[in-house]
Amino acid sequence: KQEVTQIPAALSVPEGENLVLNCSFTDSAIYNLQWFRQDPGKGLTSLLLIQSSQREQTSGRLNASLDKSSGRSTLYIAASQPGDSATYLCAGGSSGDKLTFGTGTRLAVRP
Amino acid sequence: GAVVSQHPSWVICKSGTSVKIECRSLDFQATTMFWYRQFPKQSLMLMATSNEGSKATYEQGVEKDKFLINHASLTLSTLTVTSAHPEDSSFYICSARDPQGGEKLFFGSGTQLSVL
Repeated sequence: KQEVTQIPAALSVPEGENLVLNCSFTDSAIYNLQWFRQDPGKGLTSLLLIQSSQREQTSGRLNASLDKSSGRSTLYIAASQPGDSATYLCAGGSSGDKLTFGTGTRLAVRP
Repeated sequence: GAVVSQHPSWVICKSGTSVKIECRSLDFQATTMFWYRQFPKQSLMLMATSNEGSKATYEQGVEKDKFLINHASLTLSTLTVTSAHPEDSSFYICSARDPQGGEKLFFGSGTQLSVL
């Protein structure tokens, strides 16, 4: 059974700082690895999707990497902004579009 | 990107009543939709997979008679929480994949259910 863990659980940084969010998973036979953003009481916004055959994906200030052998993924946010404050979730995807979510990292970017 | 609409955004109900939550794919057809539940400060947990025209598939530990799922069309899945109790209070959220949009899953805005 896939288990997904995210570290740290919470993070507070000053505006402009570069930061890394960590995600680890137990079953390396994932179909893909996805990163989402969740604002309080709201739904999820898909940020990046890395297929199992890929090692990283980039979108704007976001870069996500995937290392299946070590069971790890990282989300790198460059030049953080207060608008980046949210909970970031990673999820391991299996066939059939089922996702196993981590518990999330609550990010606060201070102006 | 594709849009998944979920309604209502929040609902408060009395214990023992039933609550229906709707999930619609607005600009694509979804043969499969997924229902998740999220308790405060916990992760999203998959409850069931909703299949158009057939029975839903429930995850272990989820009572199918309590959480009724109907996927009668390619754009609508409903989750009905029957005889709701305070412990059913949670954030419910649906997702679907646009077959034309790659592997990304799109999520509704979620429904916060509070059972008094």
